[in-house]
Amino acid sequence: QKEVEQNSGPLSVPEGAIASLNCTYSDRVSQSFFWYRQYSGKSPELIMSIYSNGDKEDGRFTAQLNKASQYVSLLIRDSQPSDSATYLCAVNWGGGSNYKLTFGKGTLLTVNP
Amino acid sequence: DVKVTQSSRYLVKRTGEKVFLECVQDMDHENMFWYRQDPGLGLRLIYFSYDVKMKEKGDIPEGYSVSREKKERFSLILESASTNQTSMYLCASRTLQGSLYTEAFFGQGTRLTVV
Repeated sequence: QKEVEQNSGPLSVPEGAIASLNCTYSDRVSQSFFWYRQYSGKSPELIMSIYSNGDKEDGRFTAQLNKASQYVSLLIRDSQPSDSATYLCAVNWGGGSNYKLTFGKGTLLTVNP
Repeated sequence: DVKVTQSSRYLVKRTGEKVFLECVQDMDHENMFWYRQDPGLGLRLIYFSYDVKMKEKGDIPEGYSVSREKKERFSLILESASTNQTSMYLCASRTLQGSLYTEAFFGQGTRLTVV
C-alpha cells in the first residue's frame, strides 16, 4: 500500500522561529503534493500545493519538493502562535492509482509565545 | 469560493441503523471523496468518485457504500452502523486542471457517534 510518512510530533518552536515539517512518500511516480493545516475540531485547509522539484514560496511558507528523494517539506518562517495546528502532507499518486489522494497522519505544531 | 457542505455537523445513531451522510459541492467538480479521521490514524480514504455514477473503493470501504446520482452530490451510506464507525467524516471535492489534479476542498465534517 502506498504510504505517506510525516515526522512524528509534536513539534514545539518559539515564536519567531522557523518550523520545519517533513514528509516522505513511497511512490516515485507521484505528481502532486499538498500541505494542509488543520485546527482542532476543524476541517483541513490548503496552505500550499507543489508540483515541480524545487522551492515554492508563499508569504511565510515555503514548500520544497525533491522527487528523486521522494521528499516534500514545509518551512514556516517567523512562526506565530496562530500557526499552532496539525499539518497534513497529502500526495496524489501517479500511474494506475492516480485518483488517490493519500494523507500522512499529521504533525502537531505548537508555537510558544 | 468553493463551498463543500455536509448535511450534519453532529450525528448520533444507534447500532444497526442505516445512516446517510450527504455532501454537496457548488463548483462543478468532477471528483469527490469521503474520508474518515480518527486520532492516531489520520485521514483514511473510504470511497472516491470520478464523476456521476462512477466510484472507486478507497483504503477502508468495508461497511460503507456510496451514491453519486448528480454531479454536485456524493452520499456516504453506512448500511448497518456499528460502534467502530464512530468517527469524524470528511467530504472533499476537486477538479482536474490540464493533466494535474487541484487541491481537495473539504466540507466542515460530520462527527458521527454510534451508540
